[in-house]
Amino acid sequence: DADVTQTPRNRITKTGKRIMLECSQTKGHDRMYWYRQDPGLGLRLIYYSFDVKDINKGEISDGYSVSRQAQAKFSLSLESAIPNQTALYFCATSVNRGMNEQFFGPGTRLTVL
Amino acid sequence: SQQGEEDPQALSIQEGENATMNCSYKTSINNLQWYRQNSGRGLVHLILIRSNEREKHSGRLRVTLDTSKKSSSLLITASRAADTASYFCATDPGGTSYGKLTFGQGTILTVHP
Repeated sequence: DADVTQTPRNRITKTGKRIMLECSQTKGHDRMYWYRQDPGLGLRLIYYSFDVKDINKGEISDGYSVSRQAQAKFSLSLESAIPNQTALYFCATSVNRGMNEQFFGPGTRLTVL
Repeated sequence: SQQGEEDPQALSIQEGENATMNCSYKTSINNLQWYRQNSGRGLVHLILIRSNEREKHSGRLRVTLDTSKKSSSLLITASRAADTASYFCATDPGGTSYGKLTFGQGTILTVHP
């Protein structure tokens, strides 16, 4: 969905490096989410934000931090990357009302060596 | 642990046949959603069914929900090769966790031309 963009799309980094994944949206949605996807495990929620001043931990937040710089921007950081953080990372957005259909970005494929 | 468990894990059919995927969950929900993911790409929302609904249709998609059995099924009729993708169910618990989706591991559907 071109309305939700993620950068970079692919990243290879080394153990111990700090890395930031960025998400931007033009949908005007209040809610934003970060997920990781591992083969055979579906998507797991890392962090979510229901508005600019609201940040919440998800199912697997250890080793990650986030920043909601504006309504349209939500960044995910790995302070010290480790190999088991190798995964596909998705950002998603939704409106702050209704039944919460989520709109996903194209994903960032992260490899930690 | 995953809220949604999907069955089967993989399904292979011929074009024109129907495809049925099932999702079971453990706790009460506000709504259940189905998403499609083409290989390595972001998820796309297909259909949402509320907890007080039993069946919903959208084009070639039919979703049923049985809250007494905590299960849902997605039927794709007259499948096409373009339907080849992974399909995920996601549950929304509502209440104070409203909007915090939990995804199943997915069903990989292959439709042979």
